[in-house]
Parts: sequence; structure tokens; C-alpha cells
Amino acid sequence: DAGITQSPRHKVTETGTPVTLRCHQTENHRYMYWYRQDPGHGLRLIHYSYGVKDTDKGEVSDGYSVSRSKTEDFLLTLESATSSQTSVYFCAISGGRGETQYFGPGTRLLVL
Amino acid sequence: KQEVTQIPAALSVPEGENLVLNCSFTDSAIYNLQWFRQDPGKGLTSLLLIQSSQREQTSGRLNASLDKSSGRSTLYIAASQPGDSATYLCAVVDSNYQLIWGAGTKLIIKP
Repeated sequence: DAGITQSPRHKVTETGTPVTLRCHQTENHRYMYWYRQDPGHGLRLIHYSYGVKDTDKGEVSDGYSVSRSKTEDFLLTLESATSSQTSVYFCAISGGRGETQYFGPGTRLLVL
Repeated sequence: KQEVTQIPAALSVPEGENLVLNCSFTDSAIYNLQWFRQDPGKGLTSLLLIQSSQREQTSGRLNASLDKSSGRSTLYIAASQPGDSATYLCAVVDSNYQLIWGAGTKLIIKP
């Protein structure tokens, strides 16, 4: 299995608070991705990174920001959490564009 | 806009049967197509990747085919086992190198 960890694995927070999720990889892959998975919507891309300090928006980026200061870490921040951001968040990595993506175990976030 | 559809949404078969999962996409301009499985409460595991120039890929009891012109892919599972129970997701990589996902087929293999 690709070395990808996510932290925290579960989080409960209140509306309006900032939340940061962390993805850490040990594979030295260039590309990193954040997805959310919701019933009825499948997986949707939030943001992705193609290198240190290089990031771009995905399909559902509003209300989210990302940062990548090191190859191995990709942070997802919910600037002011809303109930609509209750979801399961997955991090993924790949060696190149369009290549196989390897997924982390996910973070379950509940916004009350 | 590329759309990916997986039918059926759920499938239940007895152990030992061969089965086929279907994936269709609306735009044939794809870079590749990927199949994943997801176990309950877990992340996704890559199963097979078919390049746009390929017709099929095989891994063990799994065989995936690709027909770009008709916008279809199938995942064939031979001699199904209870451990194959999971949700199977299909995704196409579009011309912008983004994965566009289907909603998945939930497969239950009955012992």
C-alpha cells in the first residue's frame, strides 16, 4: 500500500470554526489531491497540487483553501466550516498527471 | 461536460458466479479509464488502469475492457468470492487530466 496517512481520522466541529486536515505521504509523489465523498454525488475534487507551493482548484473549491510547503504534506483548510461541509474527505497522490491515484484512509468530518 | 454512469447501483450474486460491472461515459476524448474498489469505511484501492489506446487489462480474476467509440467499459470478475464484496468505482481521466467519477456499483457476494 502507498504510504499515505490522513489526520485526524474523525473530527466534530461547530459551524464557523476553522478546520485543517492533513495529508502526509512517504512516496515522494509529485501530485496530491483532496476529494470529498458524499452520498448521491460520488467523489468530487476540491483542490490539487502539482508541486511544492503549486496548487489549483477543483470542481468544488469554494470555502476551502490548501497549502503545500513540503513535498510530503498537503493541508486542506475549511476557513469557516458550514454544515454543508460535513463529508468524508480523501487525500490521494499520483506520480504524474492522469496516472493511477493512491488514496488515504479518509477523514470523517461532522460540522454541527 | 464528461459524465460517468455506473449501472446497476447495486448487485447481489451467489459466490462462484462470474459477473460484469458496467461503466459508461459521454465524451470519448479520455486519457485513460480506471477502476477502483472501496470497502466500507475505507479509502479507495486502485484495481486496473486502461490507457485510451488499449482495449483491455487483466489482473488476476479481474479483466477490464474499454470501448472508447461507444463510451463503455466493463469490469469482469471471475469466480466471485465473498471477499469481492465492496463498492466498485469507475473513473475516466479527461483531457485536463482530471478524474471524473461514477457513483459506483455496490457488489454483494453471498456465501
